[in-house]
Amino acid sequence: SAVISQKPSRDICQRGTSLTIQCQVDSQVTMMFWYRQQPGQSLTLIATANQGSEATYESGFVIDKFPISRPNLTFSTLTVSNMSPEDSSIYLCSVEREEGNEQFFGPGTRLTVL
Amino acid sequence: GDSVTQMEGPVTLSEEACLTINCTYTATGYPSLFWYVQYPGEGLQLLLKATKADDKGSNKGFEATYRKETTSFHLEKGSVQVSDSAVYFCALRRSDDKIIFGKGTRLHILP
Repeated sequence: SAVISQKPSRDICQRGTSLTIQCQVDSQVTMMFWYRQQPGQSLTLIATANQGSEATYESGFVIDKFPISRPNLTFSTLTVSNMSPEDSSIYLCSVEREEGNEQFFGPGTRLTVL
Repeated sequence: GDSVTQMEGPVTLSEEACLTINCTYTATGYPSLFWYVQYPGEGLQLLLKATKADDKGSNKGFEATYRKETTSFHLEKGSVQVSDSAVYFCALRRSDDKIIFGKGTRLHILP
């Protein structure tokens, strides 16, 4: 398994501001992902965080809105930029030790935008 | 595109009742199928999985069988406990290894 922590666990932000969410894993992993879970909806993959290169974004998500960093094999950040109330969601980090194997999820960051 | 549809909740049962949460999928090929569980205040955990047709995944008294004919992966448990109260997500792994989730089903078990 993998122990994953996320900071902050929750936040309330004003429209137009940005928030950076951190994801820390207790050991090196190959793959790291960021998901969004909007109220009453399923988890939607935002992007794959690639170590040492630009993240790979899913359809409907762009780097300007959701910049991602992954400086090493245990840490990643997701920034939600220029926030609007529609960005209110739970944001989850997940990891795979090897590509195609079991995914482990962090506890999530609950974001509310006023 | 690939998708997962699961029954809407919340589902409320009494302790020791039988549970079935329906899940059907649409996908090209034969994806691996999963059930994840999210207990209150915790992250998602893998509950069980099946990687090919007719496989049965099982864990903690829960079972699900990969049915290719009906493109289904229903979650079942013969006797639920209060501690099973959680949100359950059905999911599949796409051909590019990305995971697609259903909307989740909240389960309440009454003592």
